[in-house]
Amino acid sequence: DTGVSQDPRHKITKRGQNVTFRCDPISEHNRLYWYRQTLGQGPEFLTYFQNEAQLEKSRLLSDRFSAERPKGSFSTLEIQRTEQGDSAMYLCASIRLGIAETQYFGPGTRLLVL
Amino acid sequence: GENVEQHPSTLSVQEGDSAVIKCTYSDSASNYFPWYKQELGKRPQLIIDIRSNVGEKKDQRIAVTLNKTAKHFSLHITETQPEDSAVYFCAASIDDKIIFGKGTRLHILP
Repeated sequence: DTGVSQDPRHKITKRGQNVTFRCDPISEHNRLYWYRQTLGQGPEFLTYFQNEAQLEKSRLLSDRFSAERPKGSFSTLEIQRTEQGDSAMYLCASIRLGIAETQYFGPGTRLLVL
Repeated sequence: GENVEQHPSTLSVQEGDSAVIKCTYSDSASNYFPWYKQELGKRPQLIIDIRSNVGEKKDQRIAVTLNKTAKHFSLHITETQPEDSAVYFCAASIDDKIIFGKGTRLHILP
């Protein structure tokens, strides 16, 4: 167990609904990343935080996606007005900047939009 | 743009033989190259990584080589075993992000 946790592990929703996922990184890790992975593809970068600051957001990311890390610890990823194309595995990873660049992934949240 | 190319997409090797997966990257500033193994339904797990100041790194049956001039890096698995069957991803650091290749599905044949 790497220590990164995500909740929920699975989410089924209807098109048009909003969903929110949570990631709890390893406690001393100050940088947190969100990725999306579809079947047969590698993880695709979405956004990342250093402490509570969101430093970059992928150009590919729709405005329907928003992420927060209000206290520099856990993070949430919200998808508004979900579409079938949002169905994917959403992965969170964290690192302790300045110590190592190794990203440790959480177990992921698998989203299915019907 | 930011890009990591990986090949082959699928690789089948006889148990006990070696497997080689190759990747190229586009950003000459990349300096960190991790490799991840992902089994079905599970999270990616780091298996080995290499930094740009090193040309080769080995950990038991796994080795990674890096050619910064050519912007190539490779994963070598020797004496393959059934439990090596999985999808392997190469990745490169680009502007504080990790960009992944599309993966190689490795099948170990009995």
